Parts: sequence; structure tokens; C-alpha cells
Amino acid sequence: GQQLNQSPQSMFIQEGEDVSMNCTSSSIFNTWLWYKQEPGEGPVLLIALYKAGELTSNGRLTAQFGITRKDSFLNISASIPSDVGIYFCAGQGAQKLVFGQGTRLTINP
Amino acid sequence: KAGVTQTPRYLIKTRGQQVTLSCSPISGHRSVSWYQQTPGQGLQFLFEYFSETQRNKGNFPGRFSGRQFSNSRSEMNVSTLELGDSALYLCASSLALWADTNYGYTFGSGTRLTVV
Repeated sequence: GQQLNQSPQSMFIQEGEDVSMNCTSSSIFNTWLWYKQEPGEGPVLLIALYKAGELTSNGRLTAQFGITRKDSFLNISASIPSDVGIYFCAGQGAQKLVFGQGTRLTINP
Repeated sequence: KAGVTQTPRYLIKTRGQQVTLSCSPISGHRSVSWYQQTPGQGLQFLFEYFSETQRNKGNFPGRFSGRQFSNSRSEMNVSTLELGDSALYLCASSLALWADTNYGYTFGSGTRLTVV
């Protein structure tokens, strides 16, 4: 089935640093989504991308939909302690969401 | 505006038993999807319901089933539980089907099922 390769699997950074993570796929997706999940909660949508090449920002978060429609990246600038969590990319195909394995972000104050 | 509500939050069952999980979508949302989340497999799609009909199904055995009621509330049932069914089960609701539109999906907090 469809799979997304998300990297890195984990990141340990200092507060204030920028963060970058990406997802690649062997399949084309119509939409790319980025979610954040905190312990004991469901994923929360951060950014949705609908067009190839699209670059979208949400505060300190910036994400891009790759031109080939097979990849996407998420950047977080000037990280703060509340950014801690697991970040998931998801590709929307014809009928369902396909999720990456997640990037666990840990921040040292 | 109330979010997606899943009950119960935690559940412990014994192998061989069956379990029913409930999901109440956001008011007005007609689509409900279910996902299984495990450390090893990540988030895996189970099925999607819209207007009381199952529209899409993932690659799970027939022990996993669901239904949707006329008020859009959905239940998921797992029969003959196995240890490997231990997971966080998430449901997500949306105004319409994935395939029809770019409407976003809102996830609930999940039901943590432990099979012993």
C-alpha cells in the first residue's frame, strides 16, 4: 500500500533553534497535511497544502507542497518549549489519509 | 463548539473478548473515519462512514467492524480480541468524504485499548 517516509524520526534541539522535517512518497497526493500530536491527545491539524509548489505559513510554521506532489517539508522557526510533541505528515489520496511515521521533537530549555 | 468525543478514554479487555468504541462527531459533520495508532505501525486507516454507509475500508481483518447512526455518531467493534489489537483508536470527523473535497478532518482524543 501507500507509504510515506518521514524524517528524521526524532530531533533533540535547543530552545530557539529552527527545525526542519520532511516526507517523501512513491505516490502522488492531492493534498499534504501536517499534524501535531501531544501525549494523550489526537493529532491536531497545523497546516494543509492543496497545490503543488504551494508554500504556506502558520505563525512560526512553514510548509511546502513539493512540485512533484510526492513530497512536503515543515519548518518551525525559533522553537519554544510548547513545540514539543510528535509531528506527522499525511498525504490525502483518493479515499483516505496516509500518515508518515512521525518526528518526535524534544526541546532542551 | 464541541469537538470530536470518543468514549471510553481507556479500556482494558481480555483476549477473546469483544469491544465497542464510540465516536460522536462535531455537530453537522457527516463523515467519520477510524484509525488505529500503534508504536510499530503508526496511524493506520480502518474505515470511513458517511450517511450511515461504509464508504472506504483499510486493510484490517473482518474482526474490525463499524457502523454509523442517523445522527452521525459511529461505533467501532472489535471481536475476538488479540494482544496485537492493543492500540490507541482515533476517530476523525469531517463535513464530507475525503474524496469529495479538501475539507479538513478533526480528530478526537482517542480510546486507549489494552488487551491482556
